Amino acid sequence: GENVEQHPSTLSVQEGDSAVIKCTYSDSASNYFPWYKQELGKRPQLIIDIRSNVGEKKDQRIAVTLNKTAKHFSLHITETQPEDSAVYFCAASTTGANNLFFGTGTRLTVIP
Amino acid sequence: DGGITQSPKYLFRKEGQNVTLSCEQNLNHDAMYWYRQDPGQGLRLIYYSQIVNDFQKGDIAEGYSVSREKKESFPLTVTSAQKNPTAFYLCASSIGVANEQFFGPGTRLTVL
Repeated sequence: GENVEQHPSTLSVQEGDSAVIKCTYSDSASNYFPWYKQELGKRPQLIIDIRSNVGEKKDQRIAVTLNKTAKHFSLHITETQPEDSAVYFCAASTTGANNLFFGTGTRLTVIP
Repeated sequence: DGGITQSPKYLFRKEGQNVTLSCEQNLNHDAMYWYRQDPGQGLRLIYYSQIVNDFQKGDIAEGYSVSREKKESFPLTVTSAQKNPTAFYLCASSIGVANEQFFGPGTRLTVL
């Protein structure tokens, strides 16, 4: 089955700096890559996703890049703000699979 | 945040007791999922169901059971066979596998 690895497990940045979280996957058939944000004590919520027919997607300060050849995808947050502090999860799935495969999460702390 | 609910928010159980966690959705989603979240371990899939009256084991199904008698409901029973049940349990639903999963607010189970 699919194996998703996520790095780093913790990340601290100064407010206004950029943050990058990286994930790798093992199944070359995977074609859907969502990113979830989970604030303390709350449910995970989708912040951005990308499908394998595109290499990059942006939504305001958030962007995701996908390298299918290398089988890795990354989340980029620019101009970080304290409210960006949360745990971020990447995931991967393929049309033929029955579920999403999640990474182990990255705890991002934005220091004011 | 509406659309998928879980109850109760907090649950306490004595060792040796079975307990059932509720998950209800009004999003008309076919697929539903149960995850367990422990600190530092991300989201681990317990069970999933792609359609009414059908469900499949996930990665950590031992000691758990589910039913899917109605499209909108997917209750999870934590049995006495689950050796370490204290955790945060999240239910999710989606239109299909390679699509956004919407999460409920979670149930925190503590075994006394």
